[in-house]
Amino acid sequence: EAGVAQSPRYKIIEKRQSVAFWCNPISGHATLYWYQQILGQGPKLLIQFQNNGVVDDSQLPKDRFSAERLKGVDSTLKIQPAKLEDSAVYLCASSDSFRNSPLHFGNGTRLTVT
Amino acid sequence: AQKVTQAQTEISVVEKEDVTLDCVYETRDTTYYLFWYKQPPSGELVFLIRRNSFDEQNEISGRYSWNFQKSTSSFNFTITASQVVDSAVYFCALSDDMDTGRRALTFGSGTRLQVQP
Repeated sequence: EAGVAQSPRYKIIEKRQSVAFWCNPISGHATLYWYQQILGQGPKLLIQFQNNGVVDDSQLPKDRFSAERLKGVDSTLKIQPAKLEDSAVYLCASSDSFRNSPLHFGNGTRLTVT
Repeated sequence: AQKVTQAQTEISVVEKEDVTLDCVYETRDTTYYLFWYKQPPSGELVFLIRRNSFDEQNEISGRYSWNFQKSTSSFNFTITASQVVDSAVYFCALSDDMDTGRRALTFGSGTRLQVQP
């Protein structure tokens, strides 16, 4: 089966600019996650979707970050305006609906904010 | 709140040595799941194993084995006869909140394993 697809692979922007990341989960996976991984740290959850509804966005900096999954499939994560501390790898993951099925991760988007 | 601690930041071994990666977790839930993921230099997180809180049997898969001990809240990972291809960052993760539908993983900070030829 095809894995989780993410684009772009790399992005470099200046602070205060905006950026968007795209994720296409594994076909049939109802749950989609966005994680932020700062260099040298473990991934940290930003938001979890179940179909097109938000299950958990408690750690999403809502003043600058937004995410949507309008049709319950693809998802977009946006940062506007970006700050230097947003430099990180943004990982998308998906899982099926069974309780505690493993998360399957994409290759991530490496964002550098200068 | 849940927490996962991987005290070993980096480990370096010579090929064919055995190595154990430590993981200690904290949770107030009685039902939870523990995971190990591997992150090679390519960056993709690769699922290795899942264990639920009611199953304390140790598991072996090829050169990999896992030791789950609820009494010490630990879920350690051993690689036997390590190989250069095992070089990666390894993450331990916890999933609880069984009743809320929030199934996202809480990750430790990772252990970087370098296997020298």
